[in-house]
Amino acid sequence: AQSVTQPDIHITVSEGASLELRCNYSYGATPYLFWYVQSPGQGLQLLLKYFSGDTLVQGIKGFEAEFKRSQSSFNLRKPSVHWSDAAEYFCAVGGAAGNKLTFGGGTRVLVKP
Amino acid sequence: GAVVSQHPSRVICKSGTSVKIECRSLDFQATTMFWYRQFPKQSLMLMATSNEGSKATYEQGVEKDKFLINHASLTLSTLTVTSAHPEDSSFYICSARVWAGAGGNTEAFFGQGTRLTVV
Repeated sequence: AQSVTQPDIHITVSEGASLELRCNYSYGATPYLFWYVQSPGQGLQLLLKYFSGDTLVQGIKGFEAEFKRSQSSFNLRKPSVHWSDAAEYFCAVGGAAGNKLTFGGGTRVLVKP
Repeated sequence: GAVVSQHPSRVICKSGTSVKIECRSLDFQATTMFWYRQFPKQSLMLMATSNEGSKATYEQGVEKDKFLINHASLTLSTLTVTSAHPEDSSFYICSARVWAGAGGNTEAFFGQGTRLTVV
C-alpha cells in the first residue's frame, strides 16, 4: 500500500528566510510525486511534480523539490519565503497513469513578518 | 494548466435532503475524475474514482448508496450526497486527470472545492 508522511504539522518561518518541508513516501513501484498548495477554503494548486529524469525539480512560485530514492523522500524547498506563501502544503504520491493519489497529512506554514 | 471547475463552492442544506456537486473539466476531456473529502485541518481522503461511462470505484468504507457518482460525459462528473446528515458536512474536492497518451505522463488538476454544511 502506498503512503505519504509529512512529519511536520506546523512550521513557522520568518519572511525572507528559507523553507524546507519534509515528505517521505512508501510505494512499491516507481513513484510519481507531487507537491500541492492549498489556501484556506480553496482547492489545490500544483507546485511541482516528479515523474522521472533530473531528481531536482523546479516548480512555480520559486519552489523546488529533490527526489531521493535512497531516502524515499521528496522534500520541498524555497530559498526565501514571502508572506503569500502562508498556506497548507500537501505532498502526494501516485503510480503510473490513472492511479489515484495518496496525500500526506499536510504541513501548515505560517510566515512571520 | 488545465482548468477544473467545481460548483457550487458553498452549500448549506437541511438534514435529510440531497445535494449535488458538479465537477467539470473546462478545456480538456477527462476520462477519469476523482472525488476527495477533507475534514477541517486534515488531509484529503479519496472517496471514489469516477470513470466516464462506467460505474465509479469506491474506496473502502465509503457508502456508494449515500455518495452517488455519475460520470456521464468526458467533461462532467457529479457527486450527490443523499439524505445528508450533519456528519456529512465537509469540504469535497474533485480532480480530473489529464491523459497524455500511452507511456505519457499524467497529472491531476483540482477543482476549487465545495464546502457542504448540513444543518
